[in-house]
Amino acid sequence: DVKVTQSSRYLVKRTGEKVFLECVQDMDHENMFWYRQDPGLGLRLIYFSYDVKMKEKGDIPEGYSVSREKKERFSLILESASTNQTSMYLCASSQTGVGYTFGSGTRLTVV
Amino acid sequence: QKEVEQDPGPLSVPEGAIVSLNCTYSNSAFQYFMWYRQYSRKGPELLMYTYSSGNKEDGRFTAQVDKSSKYISLFIRDSQPSDSATYLCAMMMSGYGGSQGNLIFGKGTKLSVKP
Repeated sequence: DVKVTQSSRYLVKRTGEKVFLECVQDMDHENMFWYRQDPGLGLRLIYFSYDVKMKEKGDIPEGYSVSREKKERFSLILESASTNQTSMYLCASSQTGVGYTFGSGTRLTVV
Repeated sequence: QKEVEQDPGPLSVPEGAIVSLNCTYSNSAFQYFMWYRQYSRKGPELLMYTYSSGNKEDGRFTAQVDKSSKYISLFIRDSQPSDSATYLCAMMMSGYGGSQGNLIFGKGTKLSVKP
């Protein structure tokens, strides 16, 4: 089975901190995605990547950046965490034309 | 008008009931249709995958796509308490790369199956 591993299940950070969320997939998938999920708002796409060193903005990229230096790893960076970035963050990967495989999520609380 | 509409529920049914979950969409270019199941505090997992119109069955689960009505359904027969989860529909235009290959998700329907 494809595995998508997110480095932390729960994180608590302070306002203004730089936060790194790591995601690793083990099946050589081309595509990787970062979403946040909030009650009533569903899944919202932050950034995605089709290849190493490539990145594309999703629907809500403000306040976030990403890095994909290796095919299997896609990192989400919160440059200066704010309380409105408290959320569940989900990473996913896919081969083109196939459904996504999600990680278990990171619940981030910014205080 | 949102691209994909899904009633958020919550939907509560007794064990053994037949459950019907639905989504409507506005973009006639969608070709690939999926259902994901998400348990509490977990990531979504792919449940059913359908290309174009028609039905697909997998055990107690049946996915239906009606492209003429822009309507998709997931039926769960003999529902079990272990089916309690949030169900998200998802769809995409193309099986090829680029943004047309990105999934568009519904917001999810929360289902509770009572013993």
